[in-house]
Amino acid sequence: KAGVTQTPRYLIKTRGQQVTLSCSPISGHRSVSWYQQTPGQGLQFLFEYFSETQRNKGNFPGRFSGRQFSNSRSEMNVSTLELGDSALYLCASSSGGGETQYFGPGTRLLVL
Amino acid sequence: AQRVTQPEKLLSVFKGAPVELKCNYSYSGSPELFWYVQYSRQRLQLLLRHISRESIKGFTADLNKGETSFHLKKPFAQEEDSAMYYCALTGGGSNYKLTFGKGTLLTVNP
Repeated sequence: KAGVTQTPRYLIKTRGQQVTLSCSPISGHRSVSWYQQTPGQGLQFLFEYFSETQRNKGNFPGRFSGRQFSNSRSEMNVSTLELGDSALYLCASSSGGGETQYFGPGTRLLVL
Repeated sequence: AQRVTQPEKLLSVFKGAPVELKCNYSYSGSPELFWYVQYSRQRLQLLLRHISRESIKGFTADLNKGETSFHLKKPFAQEEDSAMYYCALTGGGSNYKLTFGKGTLLTVNP
């Protein structure tokens, strides 16, 4: 099976802009989770989608949002970018019932 | 609140020496514990999870509920074990979010 894919792999944006990141899960997986990784805070959970519904949410401001499509592909959006949003954004997919989460390679976002 | 602590940012051992990466957690219920590994220029991948009780690449981890620990051990380290190791937990039930520790960078010297 093909692994989790994320696009784009790299992004440069300026403060105030918005960005959309995409994640394609492993075929058959219905759960997609998003994580932010920074040197200071480490890996932090953003949210999880299962069958197009947000099932779990982390402690991030409302500028961070996501959605999941009927084919399980997911997007996350960050509006009004801040310098502190510079990070590696990882998505992970699983079958959804607490099974192993498989991670994608990440999208590295740099906000200038 | 769920929290995972990995007290060592860096750990350096020689090839053939035993290695132990420490992990302590805080959670009021019955968590599920994991170790994830990230080799250089590769994606984060699952090494093992406590419910499977498997030994992967010679690594084992025992959940100690009394000490709230889930230390990762290997009796004889290999150079290819050099990587970043993350301990993580989920809260069980419908709480599938992974809470990660800050990670330990293991270097195995020849």
